[in-house]
Amino acid sequence: GAGVSQTPSNKVTEKGKYVELRCDPISGHTALYWYRQSLGQGPEFLIYFQGTGAADDSGLPNDRFFAVRPEGSVSTLKIQRTERGDSAVYLCASSWGQREGYTFGSGTRLTVV
Amino acid sequence: QKEVEQDPGPLSVPEGAIVSLNCTYSNSAFQYFMWYRQYSRKGPELLMYTYSSGNKEDGRFTAQVDKSSKYISLFIRDSQPSDSATYLCEVNQFYFGTGTSLTVIP
Repeated sequence: GAGVSQTPSNKVTEKGKYVELRCDPISGHTALYWYRQSLGQGPEFLIYFQGTGAADDSGLPNDRFFAVRPEGSVSTLKIQRTERGDSAVYLCASSWGQREGYTFGSGTRLTVV
Repeated sequence: QKEVEQDPGPLSVPEGAIVSLNCTYSNSAFQYFMWYRQYSRKGPELLMYTYSSGNKEDGRFTAQVDKSSKYISLFIRDSQPSDSATYLCEVNQFYFGTGTSLTVIP
């Protein structure tokens, strides 16, 4: 596609449930990034993939958060035992170099009730 | 101390004004400096990317890096109502400011 696609655009889940958020990067982009953005804040880095491997996962807040990119394209962010504090917009970005072509998706708005 | 600090504003200017947006950062080893524009309910859009120090210009936008002061700036000339958005700085990949909300009044 022309841009980074994130699905779903909105997700409401109950506390304690498991959720998966999907990111479809721009075709050919080797790097993929996940961020979390709370209201009135800048994006907070979670994890960065180069190809299939996680090059930097230092931003994942705890072991309830996990992300995969098995074929070096689509990525899934997985959150177990969701908590109300996980409510935020989860943003995905992709690029083909250091920042060349760096493009964000519109995000998934996650609400944990 | 946070890696990057940014005044959240809000900032309101008349159309045609020059806008100055700023961030300070903590680590003198940082080399990468980016500015983004974010409209409501959209992802950030990369405006300017600067490696190391100096100025970079692109149309109405100029990015400046002062490494001695650990201070970065984005200038917008001839501001337009369509520039109304939140502007985010990012340093050294992954450290974002909180964003400055800008409104350009017609």
